[in-house]
Amino acid sequence: AQRVTQPEKLLSVFKGAPVELKCNYSYSGSPELFWYVQYSRQRLQLLLRHISRESIKGFTADLNKGETSFHLKKPFAQEEDSAMYYCALTGPGSARQLTFGSGTQLTVLP
Amino acid sequence: ETGVTQSPTHLIKTRGQQVTLRCSSQSGHNTVSWYQQALGQGPQFIFQYYREEENGRGNFPPRFSGLQFPNYSSELNVNALELDDSALYLCASSLVGAATEAFFGQGTRLTVV
Repeated sequence: AQRVTQPEKLLSVFKGAPVELKCNYSYSGSPELFWYVQYSRQRLQLLLRHISRESIKGFTADLNKGETSFHLKKPFAQEEDSAMYYCALTGPGSARQLTFGSGTQLTVLP
Repeated sequence: ETGVTQSPTHLIKTRGQQVTLRCSSQSGHNTVSWYQQALGQGPQFIFQYYREEENGRGNFPPRFSGLQFPNYSSELNVNALELDDSALYLCASSLVGAATEAFFGQGTRLTVV
């Protein structure tokens, strides 16, 4: 069965400090990994996905197949990064349903 | 381009009743997926509709059913409501089969009392 684990429900860092949100997954095969973000009073939206290998709003995430991890990182956190972050995966097949982790609430302190 | 819209935004129902939630997909998207998000949890996949047929289903009982209409909008129906059905129900639209982004609606908050 596929599963996504985000071990930290809450994470607080100071502005300008590095931040890492952890995500581990279990999946038999080659999944596609995503990070979704939900800012206060906004809808869930895609932040980035591993196949794009891009940096969005200064965030990057590297897929480590050996450790089955997809941690989200940013070298210098900003107050506007405060939000709920969800790691998710999908597998092959036409439905491509997303399996989400339980989320990490990031608070960036001034 | 219009985004994904869901109605109603909030709903209170009594245990045993039936409920219908509605979703309009983003312009150009032909697939609608529904997710249930319990408090403190991530969204959990209920099912997906494509070409007006169910195209995948998560671990939810048959009393959760859906419809998709020719304009790609969708309904989620839940019969015989239970207290544990209280959750935020999210709709997401996308293009089937492609590695494209799923766009989410704001959700419908269902409370079963």
